[in-house]
Amino acid sequence: QKEVEQDPGPLSVPEGAIVSLNCTYSNSAFQYFMWYRQYSRKGPELLMYTYSSGNKEDGRFTAQVDKSSKYISLFIRDSQPSDSATYLCAPLGAGGSYIPTFGRGTSLIVHP
Amino acid sequence: DGGITQSPKYLFRKEGQNVTLSCEQNLNHDAMYWYRQDPGQGLRLIYYSQIVNDFQKGDIAEGYSVSREKKESFPLTVTSAQKNPTAFYLCASSIGADTNQPQHFGDGTRLSIL
Repeated sequence: QKEVEQDPGPLSVPEGAIVSLNCTYSNSAFQYFMWYRQYSRKGPELLMYTYSSGNKEDGRFTAQVDKSSKYISLFIRDSQPSDSATYLCAPLGAGGSYIPTFGRGTSLIVHP
Repeated sequence: DGGITQSPKYLFRKEGQNVTLSCEQNLNHDAMYWYRQDPGQGLRLIYYSQIVNDFQKGDIAEGYSVSREKKESFPLTVTSAQKNPTAFYLCASSIGADTNQPQHFGDGTRLSIL
């Protein structure tokens, strides 16, 4: 079992839809959880960063962490074509290591 | 503007040739990292450096070498020993590898075999 699992997609939705992107992990010791957005031929950019369980909202984006289920979600409201990208989840903080473990990413396509 | 600059954007390697990818940051970060990204795969850590003149192997260091002579610079050499070098290479930096601060990435170098 991989340490961090993401469905690669692609996930195709119409503009304006609510998008749910998910990630599961196996190491219960992870403490911090990041979501990166990566456009084609570009480097990942940090989108959301949360600590422990709970929700964090930033504009149209909400990150949700359920440590009991080892499940991480990113919700995008009112999705736009400009949200079309690959979304990488990256937990860290297990065993004193602060180097993130990256999932392989989910490709999102928002069509007009 | 603070950030990470990777060059070149595209690079071609001939058989038996070593090539060096450049990574420069002006964020005053102590830690720097190199990742390899293949289609449909997550980022895999090649090498990282927590401080000048020190670096550690990541998960896939074989066939690669690095140096860290300056805080701002962390070049990666893909040697001829790396038999499957075609990939997208990403450089990142963070305040420290022993902190929970996130990594910031450059825009990558795409390496292909001629």
